[in-house]
Amino acid sequence: KQEVTQIPAALSVPEGENLVLNCSFTDSAIYNLQWFRQDPGKGLTSLLLIQSSQREQTSGRLNASLDKSSGRSTLYIAASQPGDSATYLCAVSGGGATNKLIFGTGTLLAVQP
Amino acid sequence: GAGVSQTPSNKVTEKGKYVELRCDPISGHTALYWYRQSLGQGPEFLIYFQGTGAADDSGLPNDRFFAVRPEGSVSTLKIQRTERGDSAVYLCASSPLLGETQYFGPGTRLLVL
Repeated sequence: KQEVTQIPAALSVPEGENLVLNCSFTDSAIYNLQWFRQDPGKGLTSLLLIQSSQREQTSGRLNASLDKSSGRSTLYIAASQPGDSATYLCAVSGGGATNKLIFGTGTLLAVQP
Repeated sequence: GAGVSQTPSNKVTEKGKYVELRCDPISGHTALYWYRQSLGQGPEFLIYFQGTGAADDSGLPNDRFFAVRPEGSVSTLKIQRTERGDSAVYLCASSPLLGETQYFGPGTRLLVL
Protein backbone atom coordinates (compact mmCIF):
# COMPACT_ATOMS: atom_id res chain seq x y z
CA LYS A 1 0.00 0.00 0.00
CA GLN A 2 1.42 3.39 -1.02
CA GLU A 3 2.23 5.74 1.85
CA VAL A 4 3.34 9.34 1.49
CA THR A 5 5.25 11.19 4.20
CA GLN A 6 6.12 14.87 4.37
CA ILE A 7 8.84 16.36 6.52
CA PRO A 8 8.85 18.71 8.31
CA ALA A 9 5.25 18.97 9.48
CA ALA A 10 5.72 22.68 10.08
CA LEU A 11 8.34 25.23 9.11
CA SER A 12 8.84 28.89 9.93
CA VAL A 13 11.37 30.99 8.04
CA PRO A 14 12.16 34.70 7.68
CA GLU A 15 11.24 36.42 4.44
CA GLY A 16 13.81 36.06 1.68
CA GLU A 17 15.13 32.65 2.67
CA ASN A 18 15.34 29.75 0.27
CA LEU A 19 13.72 26.60 1.61
CA VAL A 20 13.16 22.94 0.81
CA LEU A 21 10.13 20.80 1.56
CA ASN A 22 10.47 17.04 1.49
CA CYS A 23 8.16 14.27 0.36
CA SER A 24 8.82 10.52 0.43
CA PHE A 25 6.73 7.62 -0.85
CA THR A 26 7.03 3.89 -0.21
CA ASP A 27 6.17 2.45 -3.65
CA SER A 28 8.34 3.73 -6.49
CA ALA A 29 5.86 2.53 -9.14
CA ILE A 30 4.20 5.91 -9.54
CA TYR A 31 2.72 7.51 -12.63
CA ASN A 32 3.22 11.11 -11.57
CA LEU A 33 3.67 13.34 -8.52
CA GLN A 34 1.95 16.64 -7.84
CA TRP A 35 2.68 19.43 -5.39
CA PHE A 36 -0.27 21.47 -4.15
CA ARG A 37 -0.74 24.54 -2.01
CA GLN A 38 -3.67 24.86 0.38
CA ASP A 39 -4.59 28.13 2.07
CA PRO A 40 -6.61 28.02 5.32
CA GLY A 41 -10.23 27.09 4.66
CA LYS A 42 -9.61 26.80 0.93
CA GLY A 43 -9.28 24.10 -1.70
CA LEU A 44 -6.04 22.90 -3.29
CA THR A 45 -4.09 24.80 -5.93
CA SER A 46 -1.86 22.70 -8.18
CA LEU A 47 1.70 24.03 -8.26
CA LEU A 48 3.70 21.50 -10.25
CA LEU A 49 3.18 18.06 -11.78
CA ILE A 50 6.13 15.79 -12.50
CA GLN A 51 5.67 12.75 -14.70
CA SER A 52 7.49 9.60 -13.59
CA SER A 53 9.89 9.93 -16.53
CA GLN A 54 10.90 13.46 -15.53
CA ARG A 55 13.50 14.59 -12.97
CA GLU A 56 12.25 18.09 -12.25
CA GLN A 57 9.78 20.84 -13.07
CA THR A 58 10.09 24.57 -12.56
CA SER A 59 7.55 27.35 -12.28
CA GLY A 60 8.75 30.80 -11.28
CA ARG A 61 10.37 30.59 -7.85
CA LEU A 62 9.35 26.95 -7.44
CA ASN A 63 11.36 23.92 -8.45
CA ALA A 64 10.27 20.36 -7.81
CA SER A 65 12.54 17.37 -8.22
CA LEU A 66 11.73 13.67 -8.38
CA ASP A 67 13.94 10.69 -7.61
CA LYS A 68 11.60 7.79 -8.26
CA SER A 69 14.07 5.05 -7.43
CA SER A 70 14.64 6.38 -3.92
CA GLY A 71 11.00 7.40 -3.44
CA ARG A 72 11.67 11.08 -2.86
CA SER A 73 10.63 14.48 -4.11
CA THR A 74 11.60 17.96 -2.96
CA LEU A 75 9.94 21.31 -3.48
CA TYR A 76 12.40 24.19 -3.49
CA ILE A 77 11.06 27.70 -2.92
CA ALA A 78 13.46 30.53 -3.71
CA ALA A 79 13.40 33.92 -2.04
CA SER A 80 10.37 33.13 0.13
CA GLN A 81 7.67 35.77 0.65
CA PRO A 82 4.94 36.12 3.32
CA GLY A 83 2.41 35.30 0.60
CA ASP A 84 3.97 31.84 0.34
CA SER A 85 2.60 30.99 3.78
CA ALA A 86 0.25 28.01 3.37
CA THR A 87 0.15 24.23 3.70
CA TYR A 88 2.02 22.39 0.96
CA LEU A 89 0.81 18.93 0.02
CA CYS A 90 2.56 16.27 -2.00
CA ALA A 91 0.52 13.60 -3.81
CA VAL A 92 1.44 10.59 -5.93
CA SER A 93 -0.65 8.65 -8.39
CA GLY A 94 -0.19 5.07 -9.43
CA GLY A 95 -1.72 5.68 -12.84
CA GLY A 96 -3.66 2.70 -14.09
CA ALA A 97 -7.37 2.98 -14.68
CA THR A 98 -7.95 5.59 -11.97
CA ASN A 99 -4.98 7.87 -11.41
CA LYS A 100 -6.28 8.57 -7.91
CA LEU A 101 -3.98 10.69 -5.78
CA ILE A 102 -2.48 9.56 -2.49
CA PHE A 103 -1.57 12.52 -0.32
CA GLY A 104 0.88 13.23 2.44
CA THR A 105 -0.25 15.13 5.52
CA GLY A 106 1.40 18.35 4.38
CA THR A 107 3.96 20.88 5.57
CA LEU A 108 2.61 24.04 7.17
CA LEU A 109 4.86 26.90 6.04
CA ALA A 110 4.99 30.31 7.72
CA VAL A 111 7.14 33.02 6.15
CA GLN A 112 7.75 35.82 8.64
CA PRO A 113 7.97 39.39 7.26
CA GLY B 1 -12.28 30.28 -17.37
CA ALA B 2 -14.36 29.03 -14.48
CA GLY B 3 -12.79 26.53 -12.12
CA VAL B 4 -14.35 23.64 -10.25
CA SER B 5 -17.24 24.80 -8.11
CA GLN B 6 -18.86 23.07 -5.15
CA THR B 7 -22.08 23.74 -3.32
CA PRO B 8 -22.88 24.30 -0.57
CA SER B 9 -19.66 25.73 0.82
CA ASN B 10 -20.77 24.78 4.33
CA LYS B 11 -23.34 22.28 5.54
CA VAL B 12 -24.43 21.66 9.11
CA THR B 13 -26.73 18.72 9.72
CA GLU B 14 -27.88 16.47 12.50
CA LYS B 15 -26.85 12.90 13.06
CA GLY B 16 -29.02 10.55 11.04
CA LYS B 17 -29.96 13.06 8.34
CA TYR B 18 -29.37 12.75 4.58
CA VAL B 19 -27.12 15.23 2.72
CA GLU B 20 -26.21 15.91 -0.88
CA LEU B 21 -23.02 17.67 -1.97
CA ARG B 22 -22.70 19.02 -5.50
CA CYS B 23 -19.68 19.41 -7.77
CA ASP B 24 -19.51 21.31 -11.07
CA PRO B 25 -16.29 20.35 -12.85
CA ILE B 26 -14.42 22.43 -15.37
CA SER B 27 -16.26 22.30 -18.69
CA GLY B 28 -15.00 19.51 -20.91
CA HIS B 29 -13.19 17.60 -18.17
CA THR B 30 -14.05 13.94 -18.45
CA ALA B 31 -12.41 12.74 -15.23
CA LEU B 32 -13.98 13.67 -11.88
CA TYR B 33 -12.81 12.74 -8.39
CA TRP B 34 -14.20 13.07 -4.87
CA TYR B 35 -11.83 13.22 -1.88
CA ARG B 36 -12.42 13.72 1.84
CA GLN B 37 -10.11 15.72 4.09
CA SER B 38 -10.20 15.47 7.86
CA LEU B 39 -8.62 18.13 10.05
CA GLY B 40 -4.83 18.04 9.90
CA GLN B 41 -4.76 15.31 7.28
CA GLY B 42 -4.24 15.13 3.54
CA PRO B 43 -7.22 14.41 1.31
CA GLU B 44 -8.26 10.75 0.93
CA PHE B 45 -9.71 9.35 -2.27
CA LEU B 46 -13.38 8.40 -2.32
CA ILE B 47 -14.55 7.81 -5.89
CA TYR B 48 -13.58 8.43 -9.51
CA PHE B 49 -15.81 8.98 -12.53
CA GLN B 50 -14.78 8.68 -16.16
CA GLY B 51 -17.70 10.18 -18.02
CA THR B 52 -20.95 9.00 -16.47
CA GLY B 53 -19.70 5.81 -14.88
CA ALA B 54 -18.06 5.31 -11.50
CA ALA B 55 -14.83 3.66 -12.62
CA ASP B 56 -13.46 3.27 -9.09
CA ASP B 57 -15.48 3.57 -5.87
CA SER B 58 -13.00 1.72 -3.70
CA GLY B 59 -12.51 4.71 -1.39
CA LEU B 60 -16.12 5.01 -0.27
CA PRO B 61 -16.07 4.14 3.45
CA ASN B 62 -19.36 2.22 3.53
CA ASP B 63 -22.70 1.84 1.79
CA ARG B 64 -24.07 5.05 3.31
CA PHE B 65 -22.02 6.91 0.72
CA PHE B 66 -23.06 7.06 -2.93
CA ALA B 67 -22.22 9.35 -5.85
CA VAL B 68 -23.68 9.93 -9.29
CA ARG B 69 -22.75 11.79 -12.45
CA PRO B 70 -25.75 11.15 -14.71
CA GLU B 71 -24.82 13.35 -17.67
CA GLY B 72 -21.06 13.19 -17.41
CA SER B 73 -20.70 16.69 -16.00
CA VAL B 74 -22.17 17.64 -12.59
CA SER B 75 -21.70 15.10 -9.83
CA THR B 76 -23.53 14.67 -6.54
CA LEU B 77 -22.13 12.92 -3.47
CA LYS B 78 -24.90 11.54 -1.28
CA ILE B 79 -24.53 10.54 2.35
CA GLN B 80 -27.34 8.69 4.12
CA ARG B 81 -27.84 8.46 7.89
CA THR B 82 -24.98 10.84 8.59
CA GLU B 83 -22.71 10.18 11.56
CA ARG B 84 -20.50 12.58 13.49
CA GLY B 85 -17.45 10.86 12.00
CA ASP B 86 -18.55 12.01 8.54
CA SER B 87 -17.64 15.57 9.49
CA ALA B 88 -14.86 16.68 7.12
CA VAL B 89 -14.16 18.78 4.05
CA TYR B 90 -15.35 17.06 0.89
CA LEU B 91 -13.27 18.04 -2.13
CA CYS B 92 -14.03 17.54 -5.79
CA ALA B 93 -11.43 17.59 -8.56
CA SER B 94 -11.55 17.27 -12.32
CA SER B 95 -9.00 16.74 -15.06
CA PRO B 96 -9.20 16.94 -18.85
CA LEU B 97 -8.03 13.38 -19.35
CA LEU B 98 -6.91 10.53 -17.15
CA GLY B 99 -3.38 11.13 -15.90
CA GLU B 100 -3.36 14.90 -16.26
CA THR B 101 -3.30 17.57 -13.58
CA GLN B 102 -6.26 17.43 -11.20
CA TYR B 103 -7.92 20.79 -10.47
CA PHE B 104 -9.65 21.07 -7.13
CA GLY B 105 -12.73 22.94 -6.02
CA PRO B 106 -12.95 24.92 -2.75
CA GLY B 107 -14.65 22.04 -0.94
CA THR B 108 -17.78 21.60 1.12
CA ARG B 109 -17.30 21.69 4.89
CA LEU B 110 -19.70 19.19 6.42
CA LEU B 111 -20.42 19.27 10.13
CA VAL B 112 -22.62 16.56 11.63
CA LEU B 113 -23.91 17.42 15.08
